[in-house]
Amino acid sequence: EDKVVQSPLSLVVHEGDTVTLNCSYEVTNFRSLLWYKQEKKAPTFLFMLTSSGIEKKSGRLSSILDKKELSSILNITATQTGDSAIYLCAVYNFNKFYFGSGTKLNVKP
Amino acid sequence: NAGVTQTPKFRVLKTGQSMTLLCAQDMNHEYMYWYRQDPGMGLRLIHYSVGEGTTAKGEVPDGYNVSRLKKQNFLLGLESAAPSQTSVYFCASSYFVQGGNQPQHFGDGTRLSIL
Repeated sequence: EDKVVQSPLSLVVHEGDTVTLNCSYEVTNFRSLLWYKQEKKAPTFLFMLTSSGIEKKSGRLSSILDKKELSSILNITATQTGDSAIYLCAVYNFNKFYFGSGTKLNVKP
Repeated sequence: NAGVTQTPKFRVLKTGQSMTLLCAQDMNHEYMYWYRQDPGMGLRLIHYSVGEGTTAKGEVPDGYNVSRLKKQNFLLGLESAAPSQTSVYFCASSYFVQGGNQPQHFGDGTRLSIL
């Protein structure tokens, strides 16, 4: 059975902290891994990773894929209250996306 | 830019009633998806479509039907609503890319309660 597992399920940090979110997967015919941020409504796209070992960066956020370990991490440095959200990991194979249950991040002032 | 639009945004139904959720996208995307999101369970795929006139089952298709008569619209139907279908429903769309994929664009969701 194809599945995506995220950890931790929830996390509380203070502004300025650095966090690492984890995503592991068992999905046949892997094509890509995606990270989304979900605040109150629609998930918004952050990164798409297809090649192992190549880091994608956007400001304070970065992500890397390890295809050998079937996993990915999402790092957020110098966290801000605006980073509070659910972070979703998804894996694509052929026509479908498989989502993890998400990590709920709460950044306190 | 409208992107992906879902209607309605909220709805309360009684058990046994039927309804249709509408998803419309204006980005000329080939692929469209319906998900449900329940607390602690992430997004689960209900049905999807790879083009006009085609649909396929996802992880949790029971109790739902879909139709894609026009490329820009993807309808999700509940024939006889049950309390277990209380959830937030998201529609998404994406371009087709040979051998790969493009990220999905999501609508803002429909919050559905079945009493």
